[in-house]
Amino acid sequence: AQKVTQAQTEISVVEKEDVTLDCVYETRDTTYYLFWYKQPPSGELVFLIRRNSFDEQNEISGRYSWNFQKSTSSFNFTITASQVVDSAVYFCALSEADQGGKLIFGQGTELSVKP
Amino acid sequence: NAGVTQTPKFRILKIGQSMTLQCTQDMNHNYMYWYRQDPGMGLKLIYYSVGAGITDKGEVPNGYNVSRSTTEDFPLRLELAAPSQTSVYFCASSPGGARAEAFFGQGTRLTVV
Repeated sequence: AQKVTQAQTEISVVEKEDVTLDCVYETRDTTYYLFWYKQPPSGELVFLIRRNSFDEQNEISGRYSWNFQKSTSSFNFTITASQVVDSAVYFCALSEADQGGKLIFGQGTELSVKP
Repeated sequence: NAGVTQTPKFRILKIGQSMTLQCTQDMNHNYMYWYRQDPGMGLKLIYYSVGAGITDKGEVPNGYNVSRSTTEDFPLRLELAAPSQTSVYFCASSPGGARAEAFFGQGTRLTVV
C-alpha cells in the first residue's frame, strides 16, 4: 500500500539555523513522483519541487535542497540559513504513475523559525 | 491570474444542513480534485475528476457528492452535514498525469455545529 510518513510533527529553530525535514514513502510502483508543498500561515498550498523515481540527483534551489534516496525510500528537504518567512507547514506527497495525479500526503511538519 | 478559486472561504453549518462548496479554475486543466485537511492528518482525497462528465471516489468520499459538467467547475456537495465534516477543504487542478504539479485553491474552512 502507498503511504507517506513525516515523522516530525513540529520543529522549532532559531533564524539562520539549518533544518532538515524528513519524508519516507512506501509504494510498489516503479514509476512515481514525489512532491514537496509549503503551506504558509495564510493557508494556501504552494508547490516547491517534484522528483521522479528515476532521477536520484539531489537538487538545490537557493537556500532549499532536496535529497532523494531510493535505497531508503526517503525524500528529505533541507533549508539552509532558515528565515522567519520559512515558518510554515511542509507537506511531502507521492503520486503513482497510473493513479491520475492523485496525491498521497504525509501528515505535514510544522516549522517555526524564531528570530 | 485567478488560478483555482474556491467559495466561500468560511462557513458554519448546523448538523443536517446541506451546502455546496464551489471551485472554479481558469487554466483549462482536465484534472480536478477535492481534498480535506484535518489537524495533524495531512490532506486526504475526497473525489476527483479527469474531465467533464467523469468523476470518481477518493479515499474519503462518504457524505459528499460531486459533479463536473464543465472543464472549469467542480462543486462539492455536502447533503447532511455532520460534525465529522468539520475540516478545511481544498480544491486543486492539474493538467493531468502523475507528474503534473497540482494548483490549489485558498481553501474553505467549514465548521459543523
